Amino acid sequence: GQQLNQSPQSMFIQEGEDVSMNCTSSSIFNTWLWYKQDPGEGPVLLIALYKAGELTSNGRLTAQFGITRKDSFLNISASIPSDVGIYFCAGGRYGGSQGNLIFGKGTKLSVKP
Amino acid sequence: EPEVTQTPSHQVTQMGQEVILRCVPISNHLYFYWYRQILGQKVEFLVSFYNNEISEKSEIFDDQFSVERPDGSNFTLKIRSTKLEDSAMYFCASRVYSGSIYEQYFGPGTRLTVT
Repeated sequence: GQQLNQSPQSMFIQEGEDVSMNCTSSSIFNTWLWYKQDPGEGPVLLIALYKAGELTSNGRLTAQFGITRKDSFLNISASIPSDVGIYFCAGGRYGGSQGNLIFGKGTKLSVKP
Repeated sequence: EPEVTQTPSHQVTQMGQEVILRCVPISNHLYFYWYRQILGQKVEFLVSFYNNEISEKSEIFDDQFSVERPDGSNFTLKIRSTKLEDSAMYFCASRVYSGSIYEQYFGPGTRLTVT
């Protein structure tokens, strides 16, 4: 089946630093989404991307939909302690269906104050 | 802001027992989903549901699983005879009919523990 490779697996950074994580796939997706999950809670949608090459921001978050449709990155600028959590990329399958998402394995972000 | 809600938050059951997990999707949403997340692993698609029928299901969603929309607000996932490997977080998600078909909103999850 389709797989998403998300990296890095985990990050330990200092408060105030910028963060970058990415997802790649051997398959094409026509939508990329980024979710954040706090412990014991459901994924919360951060950013959705719909067009190849699209660059979208949401506050300190910026995400891009790769031109090849096979990758996406998420940047967080000036990290703060509440950014701690697991960030998942998710791809919407190309070619129809009812929109089930394929998730990456997540990037666990830890922020030292 | 409207939210997807799920009950119970934690369900403990014995192997072989039936469980029903409940979800109330966002009120104007018409597509509903169940996903599963085994502890420490990625979120996996189980099933999508629209217009009172299953639209798509994954290999995980075998004949031990069923979904139902018994009334205008609830969406349920039933596991007929639970196995140890069914222990996981189960997330319900929903989306609107128009707009992006992938912009799904997730509930807080039900932690299912099978002993």
